[in-house]
Amino acid sequence: GENVGLHLPTLSVQEGDNSIINCAYSNSASDYFIWYKQESGKGPQFIIDIRSNMDKRQGQRVTVLLNKTVKHLSLQIAATQPGDSAVYFCAENDYNQGGKLIFGQGTELSVKP
Amino acid sequence: GAGVSQSPSNKVTEKGKDVELRCDPISGHTALYWYRQRLGQGLEFLIYFQGNSAPDKSGLPSDRFSAERTGESVSTLTIQRTQQEDSAVYLCASSLAAGSTGELFFGEGSRLTVL
Repeated sequence: GENVGLHLPTLSVQEGDNSIINCAYSNSASDYFIWYKQESGKGPQFIIDIRSNMDKRQGQRVTVLLNKTVKHLSLQIAATQPGDSAVYFCAENDYNQGGKLIFGQGTELSVKP
Repeated sequence: GAGVSQSPSNKVTEKGKDVELRCDPISGHTALYWYRQRLGQGLEFLIYFQGNSAPDKSGLPSDRFSAERTGESVSTLTIQRTQQEDSAVYLCASSLAAGSTGELFFGEGSRLTVL
């Protein structure tokens, strides 16, 4: 079936460096994508979203890139901080299939001081 | 409250018992979702409700699982005759609208342990 997956299950970066977390999706009909951050013992929190009519969107210290040709999504975090340590999930939605968001398996980001 | 509230936060039960998990969404949010997260795993879609439309139950893993929602308020997820593989964190989320028109706001989850 259709699914959303991640290239790297774990990522370790030095504080101050930039982080890139990748996500591959297989449903070419998906038209909306979201990145969530989940800290230990908490529910996921929204970071940034992007619709399929865009290829880049920037937030505060975060940028999401969407490449529909190869069905790839990435989250870039600038100047990574210890507080960024968490599991990051990408999620996709195909509006024609209704409202459910399908989540990938997640990447654990560890920031070394 | 200001956020999505779930109860109980922790539930330990014996195999074969029924459990009921509760979710209070953010006021005014028409869409409500249930996800399951096993230890170290991603979020597995279970069901979502959108206003008065029929719920999308396509993610429920078996007929032991059911969920109800009263209007646009509280939802309960019921697991009958629990099995050990049901052990997981059950996350509820709500949004102003379903799908590509709304960000999901998650609760802290209900951790279920089946002995």
